[in-house]
Amino acid sequence: AQSVTQPDIHITVSEGASLELRCNYSYGATPYLFWYVQSPGQGLQLLLKYFSGDTLVQGIKGFEAEFKRSQSSFNLRKPSVHWSDAAEYFCAVGAGTGGFKTIFGAGTRLFVKA
Amino acid sequence: NAGVMQNPRHLVRRRGQEARLRCSPMKGHSHVYWYRQLPEEGLKFMVYLQKENIIDESGMPKERFSAEFPKEGPSILRIQQVVRGDSAAYFCASSQERDRAYNEQFFGPGTRLTVL
Repeated sequence: AQSVTQPDIHITVSEGASLELRCNYSYGATPYLFWYVQSPGQGLQLLLKYFSGDTLVQGIKGFEAEFKRSQSSFNLRKPSVHWSDAAEYFCAVGAGTGGFKTIFGAGTRLFVKA
Repeated sequence: NAGVMQNPRHLVRRRGQEARLRCSPMKGHSHVYWYRQLPEEGLKFMVYLQKENIIDESGMPKERFSAEFPKEGPSILRIQQVVRGDSAAYFCASSQERDRAYNEQFFGPGTRLTVL
């Protein structure tokens, strides 16, 4: 069965420090992979997506993610975190025919300290 | 181009009442998806609809829940005889025609349902 695991429930980083959020997936075929961000009380905003090709994907707000098939991972990174990055981050995989049935991880809440 | 719109944003119901959640997809989008987010959890797929058709409802509870996307008007997620466990945020997403392998889903702001 398809699944997404985000092993870190909470992460705290200092403003200006680098960030890496972990994501592992289980999926039989080549996955469609996504990272979304959700601010409190808000909907989801797509940060970046991977369908095929270059395994290092650039997204909005200075985020990037690397697809590693051998490790079934799609970790999200940012070289320098800003206080406004504090939010919940969800990794997701598109399952079903055409990937319409998006399966989400449980999320990682990012706290940024001054 | 307005994004996906959901209303109401907040809905309070007492146990046993009905809840109706509405979703207007982005202009030009004919596919709608509903997801539920329980507190401290990720989103869970419920149902996928096209105009006048339910394509996949494998994530929808078999009882009390129904969804429709009529030819005219918004998509409706209906929960009958609500119970406290239905308290959650319900998100709608929409996408264009599936003329290629995958169409990106755009999410609305969600409806937060509280059952007293």
